[in-house]
Amino acid sequence: AQTVTQSQPEMSVQEAETVTLSCTYDTSENNYYLFWYKQPPSRQMILVIRQEAYKQQNATENRFSVNFQKAAKSFSLKISDSQLGDTAMYFCAFMKLLNNAGNMLTFGGGTRLMVKP
Amino acid sequence: EPEVTQTPSHQVTQMGQEVILRCVPISNHLYFYWYRQILGQKVEFLVSFYNNEISEKSEIFDDQFSVERPDGSNFTLKIRSTKLEDSAMYFCASSRGGGQPQHFGDGTRLSIL
Repeated sequence: AQTVTQSQPEMSVQEAETVTLSCTYDTSENNYYLFWYKQPPSRQMILVIRQEAYKQQNATENRFSVNFQKAAKSFSLKISDSQLGDTAMYFCAFMKLLNNAGNMLTFGGGTRLMVKP
Repeated sequence: EPEVTQTPSHQVTQMGQEVILRCVPISNHLYFYWYRQILGQKVEFLVSFYNNEISEKSEIFDDQFSVERPDGSNFTLKIRSTKLEDSAMYFCASSRGGGQPQHFGDGTRLSIL
């Protein structure tokens, strides 16, 4: 079974600064995907970024980028130029690649990020 | 942009009653999921559904739970006889499968009294 660990329950950052959220995972799989989801106070789960394990290049999505270290089983999220709207709970999630459709997500416990003006 | 919609946003039910949570997945998605999040805890997988059958389920998804796609658009989660510990936020998600990301609805907050 896979496990996902987010070691920072809460973090804060000043507006316009950069913050990095940590995530580690444990798996014996070689083919898998990793995701970061954002859950603002409105509670909707919003996809932030996706990384394929077979790709060495780190995924980037505008102000969001990841540092994917496959050997270390680490998948951190960097938010540059933080904005007030980035205030949310951030979840790291693991998906193993199966041949059937049951590609369940395994979530970490979340990091609550507060962006301060 | 198409989105997953869930109804109701909040459901209050007496313990022992049946409850049905409804979801309309994104129209060209083929894979459907239910997750739950007990207050203050992790998001947990319940079940995945493809080609009109369950493809994977967790140990949480016991005989009290069932899922159904009654028509071409809705995907429902039924809890037959609710317990206090079923109180949680329930999220529906859908995807195109493979490594494609799952898109989540806004959730239904289920409160069991």
